[in-house]
Amino acid sequence: GDSVTQMEGPVTLSEEAFLTINCTYTATGYPSLFWYVQYPGEGLQLLLKATKADDKGSNKGFEATYRKETTSFHLEKGSVQVSDSAVYFCALGGTSYGKLTFGQGTILTVHP
Amino acid sequence: EPEVTQTPSHQVTQMGQEVILHCVPISNHLYFYWYRQILGQKVEFLVSFYNNEISEKSEIFDDQFSVERPDGSNFTLKIRSTKLEDSAMYFCASEGRGEQYFGPGTRLTVT
Repeated sequence: GDSVTQMEGPVTLSEEAFLTINCTYTATGYPSLFWYVQYPGEGLQLLLKATKADDKGSNKGFEATYRKETTSFHLEKGSVQVSDSAVYFCALGGTSYGKLTFGQGTILTVHP
Repeated sequence: EPEVTQTPSHQVTQMGQEVILHCVPISNHLYFYWYRQILGQKVEFLVSFYNNEISEKSEIFDDQFSVERPDGSNFTLKIRSTKLEDSAMYFCASEGRGEQYFGPGTRLTVT
């Protein structure tokens, strides 16, 4: 079945450092890929998505490129802020209307 | 901006009791979901719902679970006889334009 594997966490960075959170997936067909963020005490919020190979999703300085050849969707940000501290989830789903399969989540802590 | 709401935010119940978790999806959405997240584990899919019936369910969603859309706005998850292992955060989501929007969750604690 479908599965998502994220890099083990937690990740601790200083403000303005470069962030990469790795995500790889196994799926049949052509899934859409997502990154969700969960701030402390809140629900999951969609951060960005990509629906086909070579698409780049971007939002709030975060980017991820859908790489079919490596089955990856790594999350990157050039300069993190303290306010980026949260849990980040990689997920895959159908192109529309279907369950999401989540990775285990990566806790990011950014220090001033 | 429209959002998914869930009540209560925290529910404590005794083992064997029935609980109903409430969700109000975004008003023009037609697909609804329940997920759960046991502390420290992955977010897991439970069930999807469309056109007043279940469209897909996971192995977790056994006979103890049921979902209902009792009126035009609410979407509920019922657990008939709770077990200790049902303790988790339960998230409701509704889908529009290819994106699932999640509520803030209900933390269920079974004692």
